[in-house]
Amino acid sequence: ETGVTQSPTHLIKTRGQQVTLRCSSQSGHNTVSWYQQALGQGPQFIFQYYREEENGRGNFPPRFSGLQFPNYSSELNVNALELDDSALYLCASSHGGASYEQYFGPGTRLTVT
Amino acid sequence: TQLLEQSPQFLSIQEGENLTVYCNSSSVFSSLQWYRQEPGEGPVLLVTVVTGGEVKKLKRLTFQFGDARKDSSLHITAAQPGDTGLYLCAGYRNTDKLIFGTGTRLQVFP
Repeated sequence: ETGVTQSPTHLIKTRGQQVTLRCSSQSGHNTVSWYQQALGQGPQFIFQYYREEENGRGNFPPRFSGLQFPNYSSELNVNALELDDSALYLCASSHGGASYEQYFGPGTRLTVT
Repeated sequence: TQLLEQSPQFLSIQEGENLTVYCNSSSVFSSLQWYRQEPGEGPVLLVTVVTGGEVKKLKRLTFQFGDARKDSSLHITAAQPGDTGLYLCAGYRNTDKLIFGTGTRLQVFP
């Protein structure tokens, strides 16, 4: 059984640029949730995708957008990058729209300069 | 303001000592989870508690959910260097949105 994978591992972008992060869910899982974890803090929920539809969103501006594909992999897109967007971006997969058990990937470390 | 506050924020102890980490909120949660996160990795689920007053044990780790489902604690007996990491509580409030706590960074020295 393949776990949750994310790419790239690290990324450096300039303020104002756009970025796309990718996540492959664990085999058999149809739900992907994205989180932002600033240094030294707990993860903050960005949004969740269930069967290719957005299924809940946290307090993040519209420049954070996402997509889920028929194979349940997912993308997180961030436009007009700001310095405060520098963080570890985690995705987690689960089975079902509301599941107690989420399995996290290793994250993508984004640095905005 | 964080919905789930953890204390202490940092904990540095010697191998063999006992410790307790607290997770508190003014809001009711339908379930509470505890995760451990190591550098360069995502959080790993340790336990889920769903009933007020519930106590679960996982080897040297004991988890408790408060009677009012607003707080939780994690107790580690005879800590080992392998317990080092960031401990996160997280909860669901009747939605699909998982809310994480502020985190407790534990360092266990041999």
